[in-house]
Amino acid sequence: DAMVIQNPRYQVTQFGKPVTLSCSQTLNHNVMYWYQQKSSQAPKLLFHYYDKDFNNEADTPDNFQSRRPNTSFCFLDIRSPGLGDAAMYLCATSSPGTGLHMNTEAFFGQGTRLTVV
Amino acid sequence: AQSVTQLGSHVSVSEGALVLLRCNYSSSVPPYLFWYVQYPNQGLQLLLKYTSAATLVKGINGFEAEFKKSETSFHLTKPSAHMSDAAEYFCACTGGFKTIFGAGTRLFVKA
Repeated sequence: DAMVIQNPRYQVTQFGKPVTLSCSQTLNHNVMYWYQQKSSQAPKLLFHYYDKDFNNEADTPDNFQSRRPNTSFCFLDIRSPGLGDAAMYLCATSSPGTGLHMNTEAFFGQGTRLTVV
Repeated sequence: AQSVTQLGSHVSVSEGALVLLRCNYSSSVPPYLFWYVQYPNQGLQLLLKYTSAATLVKGINGFEAEFKKSETSFHLTKPSAHMSDAAEYFCACTGGFKTIFGAGTRLFVKA
């Protein structure tokens, strides 16, 4: 089945040690997103790629970076994780229409739960 | 700008009772609205979406939602709750290429 896959499901990293989370998709969607979700909160968009075009949310800290080497893969890099970065990180994809036809849903991976020790 | 507001961070129902989760939207253009469900330590799964084809939208697991323009609402309902429905539910809309989520409503189902 076509899907969005995140690895690993659980990641433990040390305070200040760079960490990379991975996402792959077999849906061939143009857009890939990274969301941060803290406990009992809604997912918060960090950034998204439309094809190779990177779009950063205004309030995303510089500590968070992303790479999309090809259509299928997207990575989230946290350069110096702090305790406040512990969260569930969700990758999603979509294939939006054009003009007003933005009625395409996002397809989510299972998430990576990041713990910072 | 598009946004959604979910009324009630927690809803508790008895098994077999009606489920009603409330969502209101704010949009200056025709909205595209969604309901997602999230089980613990899982990603989000689409329950249903409003595409303007019909105001009453049927989704998976027996859920449905009705789009009411006059009330700017898109409430989620299920006639009879099941224990397996206990989860977090998010109402969402699209703004440009982004999915914008409400704060979420946690549904508890009592035996």
